Amino acid sequence: DQQVKQNSPSLSVQEGRISILNCDYTNSMFDYFLWYKKYPAEGPTFLISISSIKDKNEDGRFTVFLNKSAKHLSLHIVPSQPGDSAVYFCAASEVRDDKIIFGKGTRLHILP
Amino acid sequence: EADIYQTPRYLVIGTGKKITLECSQTMGHDKMYWYQQDPGMELHLIHYSYGVNSTEKGDLSSESTVSRIRTEHFPLTLESARPSHTSQYLCASNQGARSPLHFGNGTRLTVT
Repeated sequence: DQQVKQNSPSLSVQEGRISILNCDYTNSMFDYFLWYKKYPAEGPTFLISISSIKDKNEDGRFTVFLNKSAKHLSLHIVPSQPGDSAVYFCAASEVRDDKIIFGKGTRLHILP
Repeated sequence: EADIYQTPRYLVIGTGKKITLECSQTMGHDKMYWYQQDPGMELHLIHYSYGVNSTEKGDLSSESTVSRIRTEHFPLTLESARPSHTSQYLCASNQGARSPLHFGNGTRLTVT
């Protein structure tokens, strides 16, 4: 059973607009969450993370929001740029275990 | 610039052959991981190591084996490759608890 769920396989957004990628999780023991970006034929690249003691973390154009009660997090990219077209993976780990669990990813297309 | 290196990038091999996928990191990280990913699917943890002479199996059962004789090196071996082993194999490392994974560019393995 998937512990980290990304229910949208793909998303298309106009260049310059906001991209919102969503992620749900089922394990209430998760306390550290990450977003990765992956281009074809490359390994995933770390983007941003958030600890469960916070509900928002911002780094440049990227902001991650965490709603613990809903077991939901989202990644906002604003403004979206052509180079943002990639697959985005949500990931999480729990306090007792450093293993990082990944979702299936969402493919983001930035339209010109 | 990648601090974690995987070779080969691509490998096409016949059934029954023995193969070793190489992974090296220059960051001095104690923790190293192997993930397996099929297109459109999540990254599945197949092996991890928390230091020299320490190896553990991940959440996804795999017929591969790993070794950790040196901190910087974490090779993965398949004794007898089969078409079901066709996948992308991603090596990663991190510094410890609550730190993001750094990934290599992966090895795309095709077994014919």
